[in-house]
Amino acid sequence: AQSVSQHNHHVILSEAASLELGCNYSYGGTVNLFWYVQYPGQHLQLLLKYFSGDPLVKGIKGFEAEFIKSKFSFNLRKPSVQWSDTAEYFCAVNGGISGGYQKVTFGTGTKLQVIP
Amino acid sequence: EPEVTQTPSHQVTQMGQEVILRCVPISNHLYFYWYRQILGQKVEFLVSFYNNEISEKSEIFDDQFSVERPDGSNFTLKIRSTKLEDSAMYFCASRGTSGRTNEQFFGPGTRLTVL
Repeated sequence: AQSVSQHNHHVILSEAASLELGCNYSYGGTVNLFWYVQYPGQHLQLLLKYFSGDPLVKGIKGFEAEFIKSKFSFNLRKPSVQWSDTAEYFCAVNGGISGGYQKVTFGTGTKLQVIP
Repeated sequence: EPEVTQTPSHQVTQMGQEVILRCVPISNHLYFYWYRQILGQKVEFLVSFYNNEISEKSEIFDDQFSVERPDGSNFTLKIRSTKLEDSAMYFCASRGTSGRTNEQFFGPGTRLTVL
């Protein structure tokens, strides 16, 4: 079974600080990895995704994530956060089985609060 | 850009009542999903649907739940007799072909409040 762990439940940063949110996954095969963001009162939006190729993926709004297969990790980073990045961030995984139904398994989320 | 839509955005119902949550997936997509997010908790998979039948369901998806694709565009989630603990945000998602590089696109969600 696939699972996702996010170790930081609540992170508070000042504007311009650097961000790194941890994500570890458990799955026995090829995986697709995602980071979603949920702004207050809004729905899930895809920040970035990894399917294959370059393990460093860049997403929207200056976010990036690095897939480290040996560590089963997919940490999210941003060099300089803004107040508007205040949101909840979810790491997610689905099994990359071709032809599979590919349910997405989400982590518990990390609430990021950016202080102006 | 095509998107998944859901109606209503907020549904309030009395315990024991039936509710139907509606979703319009992206038009050429073949795989459909329902997820839910209880307030303050993570998003949980409920069910996946392909080729007019359920392909996978979670433990949460018991006999009180059913899904249907009544026509070529809608995908519905029915809860027959709602319980207080069904209060949550329900997200619909759809995906294109079976290729592993196809991501799921999520709708904006329906907030269900059971009183």
